[in-house]
Amino acid sequence: QSVLTQPPSVSGAPGQRVTISCTGSSSNIGAGYDVHWYQQLPGTAPKLLIYGNSNRPSGVPDRFSGSKSGTSASLAITGLQAEDEADYYCQSYDSSLSGSDVFGTGTKVTVL
Amino acid sequence: EVQLVQSGAEVKKPGESLRISCKGSGYSFTSYWISWVRQMPGKGLEWMGRIDPSDSYTNYSPSFQGHVTISADKSISTAYLQWSSLKASDTAMYYCARRKDYGDYGASFDYWGQGTLVTVSS
Repeated sequence: QSVLTQPPSVSGAPGQRVTISCTGSSSNIGAGYDVHWYQQLPGTAPKLLIYGNSNRPSGVPDRFSGSKSGTSASLAITGLQAEDEADYYCQSYDSSLSGSDVFGTGTKVTVL
Repeated sequence: EVQLVQSGAEVKKPGESLRISCKGSGYSFTSYWISWVRQMPGKGLEWMGRIDPSDSYTNYSPSFQGHVTISADKSISTAYLQWSSLKASDTAMYYCARRKDYGDYGASFDYWGQGTLVTVSS
């Protein structure tokens, strides 16, 4: 089972703002390890969306933003668009699991 | 251009062995660890393990330790994931990903392969 917990689903109308939470513990996010976010469009490989808690790789729209506080992190999507409908995963490192990289449980974003 | 190209889909029977591959190009293959990630049908991403191609040092998730073997051949810039005896529960999409290290702050996966679908059925 994953050590990073996300809501199974979130939804919003086009143009709205949605947020996805990622809750960890003192051995991962709370220990100071960075959180990264991935977008997985249907039938495709995951793509890095946010790295180092709040940084966007080249080509990622500034509608996507990330933040981290304590043992949790969040991904926000502002100005929601139809093409944002996808699965989103957070990822970090956990020092209690033999040095494992860990993923969140995943969140399905639906554009109404 | 950085690319990770994985081998094609496989259909196997329970008990058979299998090795799938991930070939890196467009960067120094020995400068970045390669990780393998499992995605079972309709499920989320699971980190399986990683390898340092420069010396083939590996780390495994406790959930996968002993069930799979990760290896690499740096002379041909290729990483591998293998099973000695497949089970139906190994049916999944498997992705390789390049691990970008941030030192004390962990690492992200900045480039991904296209995925290899493994189907195990009698």
